[in-house]
Amino acid sequence: AQTVTQSQPEMSVQEAETVTLSCTYDTSESDYYLFWYKQPPSRQMILVIRQEAYKQQNATENRFSVNFQKAAKSFSLKISDSQLGDAAMYFCAYRAEVGYGGSQGNLIFGKGTKLSVKP
Amino acid sequence: GAGVSQTPSNKVTEKGKYVELRCDPISGHTALYWYRQSLGQGPEFLIYFQGTGAADDSGLPNDRFFAVRPEGSVSTLKIQRTERGDSAVYLCASSPWGSWLGELFFGEGSRLTVL
Repeated sequence: AQTVTQSQPEMSVQEAETVTLSCTYDTSESDYYLFWYKQPPSRQMILVIRQEAYKQQNATENRFSVNFQKAAKSFSLKISDSQLGDAAMYFCAYRAEVGYGGSQGNLIFGKGTKLSVKP
Repeated sequence: GAGVSQTPSNKVTEKGKYVELRCDPISGHTALYWYRQSLGQGPEFLIYFQGTGAADDSGLPNDRFFAVRPEGSVSTLKIQRTERGDSAVYLCASSPWGSWLGELFFGEGSRLTVL
């Protein structure tokens, strides 16, 4: 079974600085998607960034970028120029290709990292 | 609506009572998921609908939990004989059929508190 591990329960960063959140996963599949979701106190999960496993190039979205190491099964999130609004829970998630290996496309989440941003 | 809508936002009930939680997905999304998020944890899968049918209900913890989606749009999660351990945020998500961008769109969840 696939698993997602986030080893940092809490992280803190100074405003305008850079922080990296770690994530490792375990799967025997070769085609899958990886995500970072942000969950503010409003509870709504908001997609931050997405990586397709077949793409070697690391995904970037403005201040957010990932370091995807497929062989090592590692998927870290880097937040540059941190802002107060970045403070939230961050969840790493894995999703197999729909229909691949019997998957229904369900997301498997890690336990999350609480990010605090200090002014 | 523009996003996934869940009602009620908060529900407080007594142990042993029956509860219904509603999810209205994004229009046109055929896939619908229910997740449960306990305090300090990541969301855990409960059930997945493709259209009207439950394609995967392997995450439902026991037979007190049941979900329906009779017309392939709105879904209701039903919990019978609630227990204190059922207290959690119940999240609903929807997506277009297939692996389109692989993204799920989430609602704001229903927080259930069982006293």
